[in-house]
Amino acid sequence: DVKVTQSSRYLVKRTGEKVFLECVQDMDHENMFWYRQDPGLGLRLIYFSYDVKMKEKGDIPEGYSVSREKKERFSLILESASTNQTSMYLCASRVGQGTPSSYNSPLHFGNGTRLTVT
Amino acid sequence: AQSVTQLDSHVSVSEGTPVLLRCNYSSSYSPSLFWYVQHPNKGLQLLLKYTSAATLVKGINGFEAEFKKSETSFHLTKPSAHMSDAAEYFCVVRPYSNDYKLSFGAGTTVTVRA
Repeated sequence: DVKVTQSSRYLVKRTGEKVFLECVQDMDHENMFWYRQDPGLGLRLIYFSYDVKMKEKGDIPEGYSVSREKKERFSLILESASTNQTSMYLCASRVGQGTPSSYNSPLHFGNGTRLTVT
Repeated sequence: AQSVTQLDSHVSVSEGTPVLLRCNYSSSYSPSLFWYVQHPNKGLQLLLKYTSAATLVKGINGFEAEFKKSETSFHLTKPSAHMSDAAEYFCVVRPYSNDYKLSFGAGTTVTVRA
């Protein structure tokens, strides 16, 4: 079974702090994603990475950055946390989409990190 | 542009009765469509997917969904609800033009009454 592990289940940070959210997957997946989940809004894509050291902005990248130095690890960074970044953050991984057999393969999600910024 | 609308934010059913979760999508091309489930304090898990093969798709745990192009719908059903079906359900569309930017519906929370 694919396992996607997010390092913290709950985090409480102060406004202005730099925050790191870590995600590790154990299935050699090329693609990795960071989403935030807010009630009534579903999941919104912050950043994604289609391979090591490659990253692309999602739909709501403002205030965030990412790092992918190794294939298994994808980090989300809040440079200066603000209260409107209080949310549930979900990491996901997926096989690369370059072959017909991999097309439409599912996302595998971690259990999420609930971040509160005070 | 693609978008997904889940028509009910909350559905409450009795155990043993049918479940219907409604999803409408908009897409310029034939999309790929998915249903995911999220149990409390867990990540999302794939229930089923439609990828232009059979229009009636069977998934895990007795769920199925029917793709209706004329109605731009992809409703999720289960004939008999179980207590373990209490969760949040997300309808997702994969756009033809971008493999990475999936669009998620706002979610439907299912409550199952004993």
